[in-house]
Amino acid sequence: GAVVSQHPSRVICKSGTSVKIECRSLDFQATTMFWYRQFPKKSLMLMATSNEGSKATYEQGVEKDKFLINHASLTLSTLTVTSAHPEDSSFYICSAYRLIEGETQYFGPGTRLLVL
Amino acid sequence: QKEVEQDPGPLSVPEGAIVSLNCTYSNSAFQYFMWYRQYSRKGPELLMYTYSSGNKEDGRFTAQVDKSSKYISLFIRDSQPSDSATYLCAMSISGNTGKLIFGQGTTLQVKP
Repeated sequence: GAVVSQHPSRVICKSGTSVKIECRSLDFQATTMFWYRQFPKKSLMLMATSNEGSKATYEQGVEKDKFLINHASLTLSTLTVTSAHPEDSSFYICSAYRLIEGETQYFGPGTRLLVL
Repeated sequence: QKEVEQDPGPLSVPEGAIVSLNCTYSNSAFQYFMWYRQYSRKGPELLMYTYSSGNKEDGRFTAQVDKSSKYISLFIRDSQPSDSATYLCAMSISGNTGKLIFGQGTTLQVKP
């Protein structure tokens, strides 16, 4: 399967600071990447669709000014949580879309964010 | 009613058992069906991918899709303790930029 990496794997920050999470597609070019949030024992909640060279498309209820997404290249998308607060603490997972035989997403290992 | 329904479990079976995981869905436009396995504190891992109706087998795993009943299944033969994880079904519509609709996930525990 395809390989997607995320960095950092864990981050602890103070309330009010900004945190950047990187998502890289290591062995294929991904024109589309997705960002998810997952709460304990819950399924994945899609936050936004990131398209290379254009603005991200956010799901209803997701604040685009709080969760800044940049997809500057075909192998890198970043999610910046701005002015983080404790309620932003969560598990953030990215995925890269690949059209092989059909339409599939390959997921990164996730980033655990804890805001104090 | 959710677009994709999946029993969250937990499902507990003895080692060696055959496991059956299922999802139902309401949108007949879904054409691509996937099963992901997610270990605790990790990202989901693609297990099986199926297009339209039919069966697909990969080692101990078999995926079935019945579009007429809007029902998909994942069977795990000779289950192992290492299969203990959460299994997520997911599906998508062709040409929708790969956006996936997930089930809630079923937590499986295989006891040695």
